[in-house]
Amino acid sequence: GESVGLHLPTLSVQEGDNSIINCAYSNSASDYFIWYKQESGKGPQFIIDIRSNMDKRQGQRVTVLLNKTVKHLSLQIAATQPGDSAVYFCAETYFGNEKLTFGTGTRLTIIP
Amino acid sequence: EADIYQTPRYLVIGTGKKITLECSQTMGHDKMYWYQQDPGMELHLIHYSYGVNSTEKGDLSSESTVSRIRTEHFPLTLESARPSHTSQYLCASNEADYGYTFGSGTRLTVV
Repeated sequence: GESVGLHLPTLSVQEGDNSIINCAYSNSASDYFIWYKQESGKGPQFIIDIRSNMDKRQGQRVTVLLNKTVKHLSLQIAATQPGDSAVYFCAETYFGNEKLTFGTGTRLTIIP
Repeated sequence: EADIYQTPRYLVIGTGKKITLECSQTMGHDKMYWYQQDPGMELHLIHYSYGVNSTEKGDLSSESTVSRIRTEHFPLTLESARPSHTSQYLCASNEADYGYTFGSGTRLTVV
């Protein structure tokens, strides 16, 4: 079946710097995308979402960018903090499906 | 705070035992899901339910079974646990417009 995949399995960033986590998706019918953060021993937590009629959406210290032309999604985290260390997953679905497809995940490590 | 609860958090059990993983949510969501996740890996959907008495198998084949007798409760059962069932099991729920809420998961080890 179609799947969502991440480019990099690990990413290390200096505290205070910005980080960018990338995601490639293959289902051109996907119209809704979500980024989740999963800390050790916990379930995934919703960070931010974006629908396919948008290119960019901003939250608190996070920005999601969507490029439908190349089927690419990214999560930007500004001024990273130690608490940002976690595994980040992108997930996608489409209207009427209601089941999310998750990528492999990127482990983000913030270096003090 | 999470409104979806999973018990137990950790379970170590011998091969051949029957186990039930509990999942309850207090949000009144009709849709509930079970995902299986190996450490550091992606989540795989194994079961889902769109309401009471509705259960479907997910994308990843699983020997487990589920039931949905009450809206708030979606337990997962393994009739005979095997070492290959060792994994983390995550329960989630959502309402109409996507945006899953996940529980903290049950980490199962079968020895």
